Order: sequence, then structure tokens, then C-alpha cells
Amino acid sequence: DAGVIQSPRHEVTEMGQEVTLRCKPISGHDYLFWYRQTMMRGLELLIYFNNNVPIDDSGMPEDRFSAKMPNASFSTLKIQPSEPRDSAVYFCASGLSYNEQFFGPGTRLTVL
Amino acid sequence: KQEVTQIPAALSVPEGENLVLNCSFTDSAIYNLQWFRQDPGKGLTSLLLIQSSQREQTSGRLNASLDKSSGRSTLYIAASQPGDSATYLCPNFNKFYFGSGTKLNVKP
Repeated sequence: DAGVIQSPRHEVTEMGQEVTLRCKPISGHDYLFWYRQTMMRGLELLIYFNNNVPIDDSGMPEDRFSAKMPNASFSTLKIQPSEPRDSAVYFCASGLSYNEQFFGPGTRLTVL
Repeated sequence: KQEVTQIPAALSVPEGENLVLNCSFTDSAIYNLQWFRQDPGKGLTSLLLIQSSQREQTSGRLNASLDKSSGRSTLYIAASQPGDSATYLCPNFNKFYFGSGTKLNVKP
């Protein structure tokens, strides 16, 4: 299996622009998670899905953030408009349960 | 309130030593426990998963044990190598809490 695939791996954008991060989970995994990692706050859960349905989005920082999972093999995390404080590494993970997760390589986002 | 505490926070050793990394958690309802390593600038790599019915799991030079009654898990690394240098994490997925991990440096 190819593991969790994320794209792009690096994204540099200017404040105010829309950013879309993409994730392809491991085939057969029912759970998909989006995390954000910063030096100050460590790893934080943003949102997770079960069978394509958002279960907990309490970690989504603001209305500027939105996530979708239109099918079992694809999810997006969108930031609109982006701000410099959104600069972080964003990880997608998937699993057969929330207690066993496999992480993608991450997307390093820089907002200028 | 910390959900996960890892001791030590940092460790620097010469290669060849056998190491013990400790993880304690306050959540008595923890189910599985999964150990990860994270290399600088990289994602999290799953090392071992101890399922609820198990007490330990082994993979190569790594052995992890889980004692739910005491709320502790231990990761043993035998004959450490410079390539083992990374941050090791034992998140509590019940609360989606990762903590700061143990930063390991194995010197050649």
C-alpha cells in the first residue's frame, strides 16, 4: 500500500489567498483525520471523519477553515482567506479506528 | 491537565546503549496504545501498536509494553543506533493528545 498521500508537500502563498490541501487515505480505512503541527502548540486535531461524515470539528480554529470528504478516497482542507498565523505543517492520517492511525508526510504551509 | 506524560523529555546517549522511554497517561479508558517516531521535518511513523488485549508488542530492536492498571507504557530500544535519533510519541487517541514526546539523540 502506498500509505496516506498528501499534496502538495509544500505550499507558499500570500495572505488572503485560498489554500487547498489534499489527502488520499489508505484504502479501506474508515477514519480520516486532519492535524496541524506548530512549534508553539505541537500537534492538534482539527477535524476527523468516519465513513466520510465529519464527527468532530471542534478543533477547526475559525470559519476560515473548512474540510470535506466527498468520497472514501479523498479529502480536502481549505483555508480561505489564509493568514500568516496559519503557517504550520498539516498532517492527514487514516485508520480502521480512531485508536490506530497512520500519518501522511504532511504539507508544509507558509503564508507570507 | 496533561493527558500524556513522557519521561525523559530528552535523552542523549552513545550508540549501543539499551534505552527505556516511558509514557504515562491519566486516561484509564485508554484502549490501544500506538508508539510513533517523528524525524525532524517529517511525518509520524508508526512503530508499534499494542492492542487492548495485549500487554506487549515487539518489532526488531523495539519492544513496547502496556500496563493499563498503572496507566503506563514503556518503549525499549535495544542496541541503539544513530538512526534511532528522533522524537518518540505515545499519543492518547481517546483525547487526541500528543504531548511533547521524548527527543532522542544517539551519538556515533
